[in-house]
Amino acid sequence: GDSVTQMEGPVTLSEEAFLTINCTYTATGYPSLFWYVQYPGEGLQLLLKATKADDKGSNKGFEATYRKETTSFHLEKGSVQVSDSAVYFCALSGTGGYQKVTFGTGTKLQVIP
Amino acid sequence: DVKVTQSSRYLVKRTGEKVFLECVQDMDHENMFWYRQDPGLGLRLIYFSYDVKMKEKGDIPEGYSVSREKKERFSLILESASTNQTSMYLCASSFRDRNSPLHFGNGTRLTVT
Repeated sequence: GDSVTQMEGPVTLSEEAFLTINCTYTATGYPSLFWYVQYPGEGLQLLLKATKADDKGSNKGFEATYRKETTSFHLEKGSVQVSDSAVYFCALSGTGGYQKVTFGTGTKLQVIP
Repeated sequence: DVKVTQSSRYLVKRTGEKVFLECVQDMDHENMFWYRQDPGLGLRLIYFSYDVKMKEKGDIPEGYSVSREKKERFSLILESASTNQTSMYLCASSFRDRNSPLHFGNGTRLTVT
């Protein structure tokens, strides 16, 4: 079945550091790929998405590129802020008969001033 | 703005009790989902529904059932609560399009004692 693997956390960075959170997936066909973010005490919210190979999703300074050849969708940000501290989830929506969304285990990011 | 509302933020129940978790969405979404979130395990799909009165088992349906009598409402039922069902429960909804992101409620923290 479909699966998503993302890097273990927690990740601790200083403000203005470069961020990469790795995400790889296993799926048949061409799934749609998503990054969600969960701030403390809240549900998940969409950060960005890409729906076909070589698409780049971007939002709030975050970017991720859909790489079919490496089955990856790594999240990057050039300069993190304290307000980016949250848990980040990579997810895919498969091509099966029903819209089943599979999530990674989440990566906690802590940004220190 | 899409709103997904879960009826309780915190819930404490005793072992063996029947527990109802309610979720309502206001965006006419066809799909609705129930996940549980546990540290180190990410989000795991319990059940989802793609239409009124329709349901599909997710990855961990054992010990749970669901009900969807109206399009906007999706209920998760724990027939006989057990301590291993202590968790954060997240409801989500989306359009019936694999490119459509999930919209989450803020979660219900259930403790079974």
